[in-house]
Order: sequence, then C-alpha cells, then structure tokens
Amino acid sequence: QQQVKQSPQSLIVQKGGISIINCAYENTAFDYFPWYQQFPGKGPALLIAIRPDVSEKKEGRFTISFNKSAKQFSLHIMDSQPGDSATYFCAASMSKGNEKLTFGTGTRLTIIP
Amino acid sequence: DAGVTQSPTHLIKTRGQQVTLRCSPKSGHDTVSWYQQALGQGPQFIFQYYEEEERQRGNFPDRFSGHQFPNYSSELNVNALLLGDSALYLCASSFRGVNTGELFFGEGSRLTVL
Repeated sequence: QQQVKQSPQSLIVQKGGISIINCAYENTAFDYFPWYQQFPGKGPALLIAIRPDVSEKKEGRFTISFNKSAKQFSLHIMDSQPGDSATYFCAASMSKGNEKLTFGTGTRLTIIP
Repeated sequence: DAGVTQSPTHLIKTRGQQVTLRCSPKSGHDTVSWYQQALGQGPQFIFQYYEEEERQRGNFPDRFSGHQFPNYSSELNVNALLLGDSALYLCASSFRGVNTGELFFGEGSRLTVL
C-alpha cells in the first residue's frame, strides 16, 4: 500500500514536444506529491509539488495534474528542451511532520533535437 | 548558502566491513533523512533524525544505524557490508517547521561493496 507506481520507464521526446510522465498510488493517506529531477551524478532536486486540494499546478513549462478519485498524478513538460533530459521521480508522503518520501522507480527522459 | 554536503563522494569496501557516511544539512535545517538509491531505482527511505533522535525508520535491517549531532549534522553507519549494499546513499535535509516533503538532497555517497 506504500508503493508509488511510475510509467514509462524511459521516454524519448522531440525538442519542443510535450513530455508526460504518470504515477499512481494506493495509500489514501498520502497528501503531498512532489516531482524530483535528477541529473547523472547529482542528487534529486525538487521540481514541483502538489497537494490534493487542487487538480492542477503549473510552474513555467512544468505542470502537475492530479486526479484524487483515480489516485493518479502526472507531470507534463511543455516545449521540452534538451536541458530537460534527466531522470524524473514522482513521490508521495503524508503530512503532519512526516517527511518520509515514497518514490516511484523513475523515468529516464531524453529530449532529441 | 551551502546546500547539503556529503562525504565521502565515492568509496569502495569489501564484504563484512563497516562504513560511515557523513552529512551536513543545508543552513537553517534541523532534520536529516537518509535514502538508499540502487542503480536504476528510486531512493528508498532508510531513517530520519530530528533533535538527535531517530524519528522514523524504513524497511532496513539493524546493520544500518545513524546519529545526529547537536549541530544537526548526521552520520550513517552500515555494519557487516553485503554486496547488495552497493548503492548511492543520499542525505536530505529539511526544516521541521515548514511544509512537509520539501527535502533538499545532497549529491550522495557512492558505495561499492566488493
């Protein structure tokens, strides 16, 4: 019940296209859903996060869509750029001081010219 | 403003040995969490320290232990190393009084067990 399932495992998108990564969770106690971006040799960096009281959050070219009833959330990267090539992890946690994050397995995104 | 710093960056050990990894949290942060990231996988939560006490623990054996010091820095110790302990060990810090989940990660310590 603690799992977060992420797909696809890898994704190739042309420059300027839209990259979409999906995640699903089972534990309804999760109420914080961040996305992390990780470049080779680096630690994960917080990209954008959402709480279940909203269905969408946008920051620049990055948008999280959240479907509470389906227990799914997704990351959309608009106008994808070669610099976006990285591994993306969705994650989930419970609030009230609990920072334990449960991560998905990651999506390796490659943006081609 | 220094972020989360970890040392060493790389190390090689043999089976049965012990290892200590170190972490200094981001300035202003008081909580340190440790994660294990196997190759091609997402980070897995090991444990979290706050006020020098272990507050939460993931599904890791007692061979994994830790400590937090009064200056909020932390150590991760792994005893009786196994081949399967080879991974990137990530330290993440946060401030307990702020929004949950906003962790700042270090670049990790890459442990190879031979």
